[in-house]
Amino acid sequence: GESVGLHLPTLSVQEGDNSIINCAYSNSASDYFIWYKQESGKGPQFIIDIRSNMDKRQGQRVTVLLNKTVKHLSLQIAATQPGDSAVYFCAERPGFQKLVFGTGTRLLVSP
Amino acid sequence: DAGVIQSPRHEVTEMGQEVTLRCKPISGHDYLFWYRQTMMRGLELLIYFNNNVPIDDSGMPEDRFSAKMPNASFSTLKIQPSEPRDSAVYFCASSQDRGREQYFGPGTRLTVT
Repeated sequence: GESVGLHLPTLSVQEGDNSIINCAYSNSASDYFIWYKQESGKGPQFIIDIRSNMDKRQGQRVTVLLNKTVKHLSLQIAATQPGDSAVYFCAERPGFQKLVFGTGTRLLVSP
Repeated sequence: DAGVIQSPRHEVTEMGQEVTLRCKPISGHDYLFWYRQTMMRGLELLIYFNNNVPIDDSGMPEDRFSAKMPNASFSTLKIQPSEPRDSAVYFCASSQDRGREQYFGPGTRLTVT
């Protein structure tokens, strides 16, 4: 069988609820952040980004909040749908270096 | 644009065989990244290129792995010889800037028996 792997945090919500996925980043020098969505069998897909000179950015049904004081990033999904079920990754850019990806959170949406 | 293209989508090979994974980045993107994703380690950056030149290969696990980018529209990741522990999904991604959003391909699922 498979070896024990990464234990992804899992968020289970009902369809129609709002979802909040959290991410703690590590580098206080990070100035740019991205949220990606990865559906089963597919590559990560860009959702929304935010620069460090902002604390909030809104997209279609999604909002990203940035709290630089505690190095925390969150992704809010309004009116969650079954199609939102996926693994969500945050990524940070320390200075002008390459992106560093987090381990991800699994979102499960029940009809 | 068709997005990042990877081939093959699935590869099953026997231990000891050479494996070559291919990637075509999005036209106009100067950066190309190779990642590996496993249950054990999550998403790992193996190597990235800027303008066809390898910039950081510190994530390449060992000498059995090599990557090339002979031109702006093509890159390969080669494993020789392959081992069962190389089994993973390998993603290629491209971007206009190393720290900007990256566009991922669909991945190649490699199984080494």
